[in-house]
Amino acid sequence: GAVVSQHPSRVICKSGTSVKIECRSLDFQATTMFWYRQFPKQSLMLMATSNEGSKATYEQGVEKDKFLINHASLTLSTLTVTSAHPEDSSFYICSAKKGGDYGYTFGSGTRLTVV
Amino acid sequence: AQKVTQAQTEISVVEKEDVTLDCVYETRDTTYYLFWYKQPPSGELVFLIRRNSFDEQNEISGRYSWNFQKSTSSFNFTITASQVVDSAVYFCAPGKLTFGTGTRLQVTL
Repeated sequence: GAVVSQHPSRVICKSGTSVKIECRSLDFQATTMFWYRQFPKQSLMLMATSNEGSKATYEQGVEKDKFLINHASLTLSTLTVTSAHPEDSSFYICSAKKGGDYGYTFGSGTRLTVV
Repeated sequence: AQKVTQAQTEISVVEKEDVTLDCVYETRDTTYYLFWYKQPPSGELVFLIRRNSFDEQNEISGRYSWNFQKSTSSFNFTITASQVVDSAVYFCAPGKLTFGTGTRLQVTL
């Protein structure tokens, strides 16, 4: 199979603090992972492409200093929401692709609430 | 750039009915992949199918079937004999970067 684990599933943090979300490919190596954001009852919006060993590629309008992405190994990418504010509250989801016909496997998502 | 339209925002059916979810896409790529994903209330995205643009064979997998028409840029998804567990939001995606707005399917008893 192709399993992607995302942690934590839910997190509540205070405004001004930072939150780190982990995305791990459990049974395969992923040189590229993707981070999405989803607002309630809306579609997924690609935020950035995480590249192992190099800088992430951010989509237009996504603040690089706000959403720090680190892809230090072939099985782990992290998204850190820095100095979080209530408007950062959202559902964050990552994905990775295993070769062959597995398509893109998504993590279970992280629901971030900033209070 | 790619664009996808899922015109049906919400669909409600009674269990055992067949239901078709529409997807129309735009792309400038000559070869591309098309995906369907399911997002149940729990939130995780479940990969359903990937179709290559040069393979127009329709596919059936159990109660699911897909109708890919390259000439009309459509990639429709049909659930036969729907079940309550099919209730979810279904996303069509032409490639890994762009998702449609989703169709919320509600199957009731």
